[in-house]
Amino acid sequence: DGGITQSPKYLFRKEGQNVTLSCEQNLNHDAMYWYRQDPGQGLRLIYYSQIVNDFQKGDIAEGYSVSREKKESFPLTVTSAQKNPTAFYLCASSNGKGATVNTEAFFGQGTRLTVV
Amino acid sequence: AQSVSQHNHHVILSEAASLELGCNYSYGGTVNLFWYVQYPGQHLQLLLKYFSGDPLVKGIKGFEAEFIKSKFSFNLRKPSVQWSDTAEYFCAVIAYSSASKIIFGSGTRLSIRP
Repeated sequence: DGGITQSPKYLFRKEGQNVTLSCEQNLNHDAMYWYRQDPGQGLRLIYYSQIVNDFQKGDIAEGYSVSREKKESFPLTVTSAQKNPTAFYLCASSNGKGATVNTEAFFGQGTRLTVV
Repeated sequence: AQSVSQHNHHVILSEAASLELGCNYSYGGTVNLFWYVQYPGQHLQLLLKYFSGDPLVKGIKGFEAEFIKSKFSFNLRKPSVQWSDTAEYFCAVIAYSSASKIIFGSGTRLSIRP
């Protein structure tokens, strides 16, 4: 089946440790996104990438890093610099390339990260 | 900066009531507009979308939305809600620019009393 796979579904880490969340898509989409979902705040954009080897900061990029070495993969690292990392993280992909395509986003199931 | 506002944070309705959820965006150029729904414990899924053409768009499960360009609005409506519509609803916008990205509103939690 075509889709977006995020793993793991639940993740626990000790404070001060970096942790990497996986996101893989087989939809052949160019654009990929990471969002953080907190109660009452909706989905806030962390990073996004429109093509391989390129990515841009979203609204809340501090304390996070990403890479886009392959079209199908867009891993997110939550670093120890992120002050409040416990949250639900959603990965998405879409077919858009900048301003050229009418597109919609498809979402993974999410990863719930808990830092203790 | 582009932004999306959903003014209703939590809406509680009885079954068969009519629904309207507000969504306003800030961007003066061309936009694509979306409503996504997240049922408890499930993925976000697309409810409906507007790219161009008829500003009244119909989506799944009897939902519709109207794009009013002069008001920068894209309100979601349903004439008669069901208990199964209990979910969180997100409005989203892609603003056509050199760095198009999908921006979401803060969401509206809809609770339907059986």
